[in-house]
Amino acid sequence: GAVVSQHPSWVICKSGTSVKIECRSLDFQATTMFWYRQFPKQSLMLMATSNEGSKATYEQGVEKDKFLINHASLTLSTLTVTSAHPEDSSFYICSWGGPGTDRNTEAFFGQGTRLTVV
Amino acid sequence: GQNIDQPTEMTATEGAIVQINCTYQTSGFNGLFWYQQHAGEAPTFLSYNVLDGLEEKGRFSSFLSRSKGYSYLLLKELQMKDSASYLCAGVDSNYQLIWGAGTKLIIKP
Repeated sequence: GAVVSQHPSWVICKSGTSVKIECRSLDFQATTMFWYRQFPKQSLMLMATSNEGSKATYEQGVEKDKFLINHASLTLSTLTVTSAHPEDSSFYICSWGGPGTDRNTEAFFGQGTRLTVV
Repeated sequence: GQNIDQPTEMTATEGAIVQINCTYQTSGFNGLFWYQQHAGEAPTFLSYNVLDGLEEKGRFSSFLSRSKGYSYLLLKELQMKDSASYLCAGVDSNYQLIWGAGTKLIIKP
């Protein structure tokens, strides 16, 4: 299967600072990447769809100025949580592929990033 | 609205069989996925059903009934390593994944 590499795996930051999470496709070119957030004991929630060379598409209720997404190349998408607050503490996961994409099969996920804002 | 329902937690014994149910309501339907997720890790693919019936893959099987909006994941010969959360995800008419909250499966010796 496709390999999606995400880092860091975990990060602790102070309230008010920014954190960047990287998601790389190692053996394929990703036109589209998906960014999810998962709170404990809750389902994966799609935050935004990252499109190479164009602006990301954000889901309703997700602040695009707070969660900055950059997809400058076919192998790298980044999510920056700006001015992080404790309520942003969550598990962030990127994924590639899945129904309706250029790889219309299973979705492949990065390892996830556990963000803790103190 | 769109909704995926699955039990929050289940307990089973090593070597036994367990069935995890999932009911879904989506705007249109383009299939249903099951993923396994160990704590603190990303989900990994288990199965995808788009037609009615049972699909078997080793110790894991998945069933779909589109008329009932129902699916289940069947795990046989349970092993301790099967302790994880199992996520059900429906695919709507826009090909968006609608995720359930997951079923935490606890395996006891």
